[in-house]
Amino acid sequence: KQEVTQIPAALSVPEGENLVLNCSFTDSAIYNLQWFRQDPGKGLTSLLLIQSSQREQTSGRLNASLDKSSGRSTLYIAASQPGDSATYLCAVPASGTYKYIFGTGTRLKVLA
Amino acid sequence: GAVVSQHPSWVICKSGTSVKIECRSLDFQATTMFWYRQFPKQSLMLMATSNEGSKATYEQGVEKDKFLINHASLTLSTLTVTSAHPEDSSFYICSAGQDLNTIYFGEGSWLTVV
Repeated sequence: KQEVTQIPAALSVPEGENLVLNCSFTDSAIYNLQWFRQDPGKGLTSLLLIQSSQREQTSGRLNASLDKSSGRSTLYIAASQPGDSATYLCAVPASGTYKYIFGTGTRLKVLA
Repeated sequence: GAVVSQHPSWVICKSGTSVKIECRSLDFQATTMFWYRQFPKQSLMLMATSNEGSKATYEQGVEKDKFLINHASLTLSTLTVTSAHPEDSSFYICSAGQDLNTIYFGEGSWLTVV
């Protein structure tokens, strides 16, 4: 059974720092991995999708890497800003299905 | 732009009433859609799989008579929370995909039962 874990659970940093959020999964037979952002009281925003054949994806200040063999993904946020404050979720589809298993999330707070 | 749309984004209803949330695929047909729920300070959990033209498949512990799912067309699935109670207040989100590498999530719907 696929399990997804994210560490740290919460993170508070001063503005300008570079950050690394971690995601680990137990079943390496995944088709892809997605990182999402969720703002308090709001919906889900897809940030990056990494397919199983890829090792990383970049979008602006965000870079996500994937190491299937070790069951890990990292989300790197460069030059963090207060507007980056949110909960970040990673998710992988259960083997051979469209059903996503979500991690527990990392609550990020970037201080001005 | 969004390829999976949910409506409403926010809804408040009185205890005992029913409320319907819609999930639409905008640019593609989806024979299968998925409904998730998020309790406060917890992660998203799959509730059920919505199948076009047939009954939904519910995850263990999800009451099918309380959470009615209808997938009457290839672009629309609805989740109806029947006889809602305050403990049903939650964030509900749907997803749909064209293939295993092209899965989109709606923006989600916040339900508050008062």
